[in-house]
Amino acid sequence: GENVEQHPSTLSVQEGDSAVIKCTYSDSASNYFPWYKQELGKRPQLIIDIRSNVGEKKDQRIAVTLNKTAKHFSLHITETQPEDSAVYFCAGSWGATNKLIFGTGTLLAVQP
Amino acid sequence: DVKVTQSSRYLVKRTGEKVFLECVQDMDHENMFWYRQDPGLGLRLIYFSYDVKMKEKGDIPEGYSVSREKKERFSLILESASTNQTSMYLCASSPRGSGDEQYFGPGTRLTVT
Repeated sequence: GENVEQHPSTLSVQEGDSAVIKCTYSDSASNYFPWYKQELGKRPQLIIDIRSNVGEKKDQRIAVTLNKTAKHFSLHITETQPEDSAVYFCAGSWGATNKLIFGTGTLLAVQP
Repeated sequence: DVKVTQSSRYLVKRTGEKVFLECVQDMDHENMFWYRQDPGLGLRLIYFSYDVKMKEKGDIPEGYSVSREKKERFSLILESASTNQTSMYLCASSPRGSGDEQYFGPGTRLTVT
């Protein structure tokens, strides 16, 4: 069945450094890969997404890359700031229902 | 602005009680979802609905049922609450198509004693 694995589970970086979170998926039919950010005590919110026909997408300090051959995708955050501290979830979508399978999450801590 | 609301932020119930969690969205979305969030396990899909009175099981449906009588409202039902159902429950909604953003509610922290 569909599965998404996410690493690392925790990540600590110094302010201004880059952070990279990686996810792998099991089903090559997956066609949509969103990333959600959940700040402490708040609801998850979409920060960036990528579709299977695109290799890379950027939005200011965040970018997502997709390697369909290897079945993995990554979130890159540059010039990290304390407000980037949160739990980040990757996800994959299969078929036409918009059902998502989420990774287990990465707790990112940006040390000032 | 999309708004997804859940009936309670915190709920304490006793083992064996029937529990109802309500979710309402105001954006006329076709899809609605119920997730359970536990530390180290991420967000796991319990059930989803793609239309009124339509539902499909997610990854962990055991011990849960759902109801969608109106498009804007999706209810999660714990028929007989157990301690292992203590968790954070998140509702979400999205338009019908694949690849559309899911909008989450604020969550209900359920404790079963």
